[in-house]
Amino acid sequence: GQNIDQPTEMTATEGAIVQINCTYQTSGFNGLFWYQQHAGEAPTFLSYNVLDGLEEKGRFSSFLSRSKGYSYLLLKELQMKDSASYLCAVRGPLNPQSTFGDGTTLTVKP
Amino acid sequence: DAGVIQSPRHEVTEMGQEVTLRCKPISGHNSLFWYRQTMMRGLELLIYFNNNVPIDDSGMPEDRFSAKMPNASFSTLKIQPSEPRDSAVYFCASSTRGRTDTQYFGPGTRLTVL
Repeated sequence: GQNIDQPTEMTATEGAIVQINCTYQTSGFNGLFWYQQHAGEAPTFLSYNVLDGLEEKGRFSSFLSRSKGYSYLLLKELQMKDSASYLCAVRGPLNPQSTFGDGTTLTVKP
Repeated sequence: DAGVIQSPRHEVTEMGQEVTLRCKPISGHNSLFWYRQTMMRGLELLIYFNNNVPIDDSGMPEDRFSAKMPNASFSTLKIQPSEPRDSAVYFCASSTRGRTDTQYFGPGTRLTVL
């Protein structure tokens, strides 16, 4: 089985940097996704990591350490529109199935 | 591309009634997923299909739930009979086999069972 842990809520200030952590325990690992979900909307893809290291994409970066079962999503230059839930999802050995964490609700304040 | 299409967007029904949710995946995608999302349980995978064949339905909560994919462009999720605890947002997502297998989600169907 798979167990995924994320903080429930985080608050940050507009223009700042925030790091959302995700830890996982899995019986098999085949990649980790981050999705963004605004209230009342569907999740949308942000990033994918399968190898250790940092993947940068504009204001968003995602990091993975497979040996530690750990990932984080880094959001820079926060904007009000970044207020959303951020879901960590781990793809197990049965491609393409993924298990989702409960999500971290980020609130960006002026 | 229009993206994943789901219908209806909202459904209100009474306990005991049959509910059918519909999904059209992105053309060319060969994997389709049905999820349920609630505040209490988060996003749960119910079932997924690969090339129209159900691969894993272990997330389907009960026999009241059934899903079909008669062809590559259409899938249904049926609840019969529906119960108030089935109230949730049901998402359909599709993906293509590739490096990332990124899932693209439809807008969801908000189901309320009274």
